[in-house]
Amino acid sequence: DAKTTQPTSMDCAEGRAANLPCNHSTISGNEYVYWYRQIHSQGPQYIIHGLKNNETNEMASLIITEDRKSSTLILPHATLRDTAVYYCIAVNAGGTSYGKLTFGQGTILTVHP
Amino acid sequence: DSGVTQTPKHLITATGQRVTLRCSPRSGDLSVYWYQQSLDQGLQFLIQYYNGEERAKGNILERFSAQQFPDLHSELNLSSLELGDSALYFCASSVTTGELRSTDTQYFGPGTRLTVL
Repeated sequence: DAKTTQPTSMDCAEGRAANLPCNHSTISGNEYVYWYRQIHSQGPQYIIHGLKNNETNEMASLIITEDRKSSTLILPHATLRDTAVYYCIAVNAGGTSYGKLTFGQGTILTVHP
Repeated sequence: DSGVTQTPKHLITATGQRVTLRCSPRSGDLSVYWYQQSLDQGLQFLIQYYNGEERAKGNILERFSAQQFPDLHSELNLSSLELGDSALYFCASSVTTGELRSTDTQYFGPGTRLTVL
């Protein structure tokens, strides 16, 4: 699975958009980009995933560059409850590593009042 | 609420003991995954079961074993416990279509916090 690189921490003001970057320069053609978050020792929560195209759901938007080497998770209007560790993970669609999520250190997002 | 349930929420035991953690997947999900989260190692994949069969294995110790039952719930057995086994243990589930080019989103349970004294 491709390695992902994220900033260790980021801050955001409440009500503003939070843009969390992720670098995955070695991603292969059959690897999806998944985002999860973990709020204070709770179970990781699925946010969004994509392969090539930009994606949007009720929680967030995912922007993937055309060369697929990086992506950005956008929380359009951050709230205090969005304070969490955000994980960007490259997930293999098949092969022997199918099914395994490899979590890195993630980005600690702190939303300030 | 992800729909994945785990019991117990907390477990305190002594070194050398054996414990069993239980996971019930979301309705309709055939795959169950186990992860361990300790302070020094982060979140690590342990093992995956699909429809009762072991499908993928990660960094799971020989002292640990898992199984998935016909009703699709899963148990993770930890034996000869050591202080270093203290961690959060998460279970996740997914549909698992079985198609090679598709992915499955894993949904996580709330976890079991194991403390070994």
